[in-house]
Amino acid sequence: QKEVEQDPGPLSVPEGAIVSLNCTYSNSAFQYFMWYRQYSRKGPELLMYTYSSGNKEDGRFTAQVDKSSKYISLFIRDSQPSDSATYLCAIENYGQNFVFGPGTRLSVLP
Amino acid sequence: DGGITQSPKYLFRKEGQNVTLSCEQNLNHDAMYWYRQDPGQGLRLIYYSQIVNDFQKGDIAEGYSVSREKKESFPLTVTSAQKNPTAFYLCASRLEEGRRAFFGQGTRLTVV
Repeated sequence: QKEVEQDPGPLSVPEGAIVSLNCTYSNSAFQYFMWYRQYSRKGPELLMYTYSSGNKEDGRFTAQVDKSSKYISLFIRDSQPSDSATYLCAIENYGQNFVFGPGTRLSVLP
Repeated sequence: DGGITQSPKYLFRKEGQNVTLSCEQNLNHDAMYWYRQDPGQGLRLIYYSQIVNDFQKGDIAEGYSVSREKKESFPLTVTSAQKNPTAFYLCASRLEEGRRAFFGQGTRLTVV
């Protein structure tokens, strides 16, 4: 079983839709959770960072962590064509390096 | 502007040559990382350094070498021993473990 699993997509949605992106992980010791957005041929850009269960909101983005289920999500409200990118989850246990999911490719169609 | 800079953006290498990718940060971060990204795959850790003059191998270190002589610089050398070097290489830095990491814009290396 991989440490972090993520549906690679591609995921296509119409503009204005609510997008749900998800990762599951196997190690219950993971403590820190990050979501990155990566445009084609660019470096990943940090979107959200959290270390506790529950929701964290930033503008149109909400990160949700459920440690009991070992499941994290990123929700994008009112999706825009500019949100079209690959979204990577990254999970870490303190004292070890973070582990990345393979990324989900999202296309928001105008 | 604070940030992390990778150069060059594109790099071409002939088989049998060593090449060095540059990574510089002015964020005063202690930890720096090199990742390799291949199409359809996640980021794989090549080398990392938590402090100056010290570094550790990641998951795919074979065929690569690094140095950390200065806090702000962490160059990666892709040696001729790396059998499949064509990839997108990403450098990242952060203050310390458990903190958020920031990435450079990447270097695309192609072997010709």
